[in-house]
Amino acid sequence: DVKVTQSSRYLVKRTGEKVFLECVQDMDHENMFWYRQDPGLGLRLIYFSYDVKMKEKGDIPEGYSVSREKKERFSLILESASTNQTSMYLCASWGSGRDLRAPYEQYFGPGTRLTVT
Amino acid sequence: RKEVEQDPGPFNVPEGATVAFNCTYSNSASQSFFWYRQDCRKEPKLLMSVYSSGNEDGRFTAQLNRASQYISLLIRDSKLSDSATYLCVVNRSPRGAGNMLTFGGGTRLMVKP
Repeated sequence: DVKVTQSSRYLVKRTGEKVFLECVQDMDHENMFWYRQDPGLGLRLIYFSYDVKMKEKGDIPEGYSVSREKKERFSLILESASTNQTSMYLCASWGSGRDLRAPYEQYFGPGTRLTVT
Repeated sequence: RKEVEQDPGPFNVPEGATVAFNCTYSNSASQSFFWYRQDCRKEPKLLMSVYSSGNEDGRFTAQLNRASQYISLLIRDSKLSDSATYLCVVNRSPRGAGNMLTFGGGTRLMVKP
């Protein structure tokens, strides 16, 4: 079974703090994604990575950066947290269609609910 | 216009009912389509892929209409355990390669005893 874990389920930070959200997957997947989910807006892609040290901007990268130093780990960084970054953050991984039953399934972690005060 | 649009609901139905959700997408070049299910306070999980010919998985049937750019999900004989949010998802990667997904806002289903 694919397992995607995230470092925290709940996090409360102050405006201006630097915030690290960690994601680890155990299936040797090349591709990893960070989304945020907000009511009425659905999941929106922040950044993704298709290989170690590679990263691409998603739809809403402003205010965020990422790091992929090891294949299994993908970190999302909020350089200076702001109240409009209060959200649910979801990490996902995908393995280039190796699972023939569901070649495009992205596997999600349990999410981190971040509150910035 | 949103890339993937869904009626947010909620759809309140009694057990045993048949319920259908629709979703529209704006990018006619989209190659592959999915329904994900998200339980309250949980992560999304793939429910089923959607094929042009239509596909069925037990009580669930998915249909794709490329000409009208909409996707549907039909649930027959609803169970209490079907209560969840259903996310319509479109793969926007060029020529279907890769896996860049666009998610709809979700349709909430509540099945009542």
